[in-house]
Amino acid sequence: NAGVTQTPKFRVLKTGQSMTLLCAQDMNHEYMYWYRQDPGMGLRLIHYSVGEGTTAKGEVPDGYNVSRLKKQNFLLGLESAAPSQTSVYFCASSPEPQGAAYQPQHFGDGTRLSIL
Amino acid sequence: QKEVEQDPGPLSVPEGAIVSLNCTYSNSAFQYFMWYRQYSRKGPELLMYTYSSGNKEDGRFTAQVDKSSKYISLFIRDSQPSDSATYLCAISSASKIIFGSGTRLSIRP
Repeated sequence: NAGVTQTPKFRVLKTGQSMTLLCAQDMNHEYMYWYRQDPGMGLRLIHYSVGEGTTAKGEVPDGYNVSRLKKQNFLLGLESAAPSQTSVYFCASSPEPQGAAYQPQHFGDGTRLSIL
Repeated sequence: QKEVEQDPGPLSVPEGAIVSLNCTYSNSAFQYFMWYRQYSRKGPELLMYTYSSGNKEDGRFTAQVDKSSKYISLFIRDSQPSDSATYLCAISSASKIIFGSGTRLSIRP
């Protein structure tokens, strides 16, 4: 059981380039999330999805787009990468939460992205 | 003022000690409280989840919530070197979740 798998694990981009980060989960979870983690700032929610075909903005959505065409996959796109987007990106999933709106349970191991 | 404050550490204790990790929060609208453990170069993993004041125990881990003081704690008994990690608190309401910045913990053998 792989859980949550993120690809790629590392990537270096030049300013202005675009790329897509892929997240796949095999637990049949409804909810999926994209976070970024920066030193001293904790995890911040970028976008999330409450089911196939749905997406919504989180705390820091600017500069990112997402798609959830299949229940098991959640894609995060950077249209025109900027140095401020250098970060570690984590995908997470959870079944429909009981009570709390956001309760990410299973995280991938992250994508380390550097924008030069 | 941050909505959740967490001492970044690092915190270093000898093996077998009781560890206390803490967070404070500012908004009483947050009603759900989580603790995550994150090993180096790995994703966080959910350790404990609670939504009420009081204590919740799971093995060597106890989560404590004091809503009147807006203070949450995670206690680790009989700490082991394998507990060395960064511990993140998180608070959630019906519409948002806020993570603490994490406390780095090191258990010395």
